[in-house]
Amino acid sequence: QKEVEQDPGPLSVPEGAIVSLNCTYSNSAFQYFMWYRQYSRKGPELLMYTYSSGNKEDGRFTAQVDKSSKYISLFIRDSQPSDSATYLCAMSASRPHMDTGRRALTFGSGTRLQVQP
Amino acid sequence: DAGVIQSPRHEVTEMGQEVTLRCKPISGHNSLFWYRQTMMRGLELLIYFNNNVPIDDSGMPEDRFSAKMPNASFSTLKIQPSEPRDSAVYFCASRALENPYEQYFGPGTRLTVT
Repeated sequence: QKEVEQDPGPLSVPEGAIVSLNCTYSNSAFQYFMWYRQYSRKGPELLMYTYSSGNKEDGRFTAQVDKSSKYISLFIRDSQPSDSATYLCAMSASRPHMDTGRRALTFGSGTRLQVQP
Repeated sequence: DAGVIQSPRHEVTEMGQEVTLRCKPISGHNSLFWYRQTMMRGLELLIYFNNNVPIDDSGMPEDRFSAKMPNASFSTLKIQPSEPRDSAVYFCASRALENPYEQYFGPGTRLTVT
């Protein structure tokens, strides 16, 4: 079993829909959670990060962490065709600059999202 | 700012050949990461450096893989000899000490070993 699980999709939604992307994890030591977006043939880019449990909002994007369930989510409101990409969750047990171990940052395999105009 | 620069962007080689991938991190960043991405295994961390020193290379699949960072502006990932199962997209990423949450990824090198 992978340490971080993510449904690969593809997830296809109409423009304007609310999108929910999710990851589950097994390592209860994870405290730092990040969402990266990866366009086709490009490298991933950071969208948002959160620490511990709770919500964080940035424009149309909301990141949610439920540590009791080992479950994180990314919500996209008013989705646009330009949001079509692969979304990867990533997590770390230690504050990223103090990484010392193999699991410095563990990525999910990514969910491919397609927003239809 | 040019971002993280990787070369070559595409590499096609035959099994048994040596492959060298190159990376120039963003100026001023003190951490550098090498990742491999495949459909089957997703994004895997191979090795990372802090201040040019390798911190953790336990993600390197086997002795055929080696990485160096001779200075703060250059790193290489070498595969010798290459095998078809090494076919993947290899990403280099860098990170600044003052912004530990964000890794800046390069465009990747798409490697095909036939």
